[in-house]
Amino acid sequence: AAGVIQSPRHLIKEKRETATLKCYPIPRHDTVYWYQQGPGQDPQFLISFYEKMQSDKGSIPDRFSAQQFSDYHSELNMSSLELGDSALYFCASSLQGGRAGEQYFGPGTRLTVT
Amino acid sequence: DAKTTQPNSMESNEEEPVHLPCNHSTISGTDYIHWYRQLPSQGPEYVIHGLTSNVNNRMASLAIAEDRKSSTLILHRATLRDAAVYYCILRDVGKAAGNKLTFGGGTRVLVKP
Repeated sequence: AAGVIQSPRHLIKEKRETATLKCYPIPRHDTVYWYQQGPGQDPQFLISFYEKMQSDKGSIPDRFSAQQFSDYHSELNMSSLELGDSALYFCASSLQGGRAGEQYFGPGTRLTVT
Repeated sequence: DAKTTQPNSMESNEEEPVHLPCNHSTISGTDYIHWYRQLPSQGPEYVIHGLTSNVNNRMASLAIAEDRKSSTLILHRATLRDAAVYYCILRDVGKAAGNKLTFGGGTRVLVKP
């Protein structure tokens, strides 16, 4: 069965650079979520989109922005990168807004900021 | 958001059952109880969820107390591949679409051969 695809899987950037992470949800899933997991920490919710509209927002820095496109894929744009942005970034998708249902997670993008 | 409380860690022997408790004394009537697990170096993985009745699937069983203030995830026969951090998470079905999962305070399960 098709899973959530994230690209790139690994990314190395320098401080103050910009990064773009991409997420391709499971076919027919209409909701996408972004989570950040720092070293030794639990995943923390950043932002979600349902039918291409932002639906929920967590502790996402103002330097980060995201959107969901007409084909339902999503991109997380990160500017002015800081060392503390080094983390695993997971994308998840769900069907029908995920109401009471499960989220399916991708393998993650490991971002290293040097 | 209603909070959950889980033990930090549990150990089990391979092929024995594992019972993972979760307390959620402030659960509301519209909160579903979800369990996710995260294997090392992987994204979280959905395990099971329920509202009031006990639930079974191919991965696990979920036993929900009658007052819904606690639940137990049951892995019937632990394997080495079940070694992971298990998260008990409440999700309000009444909230808008796309509402988040709040991860925190999971149980690290160690399976001994």
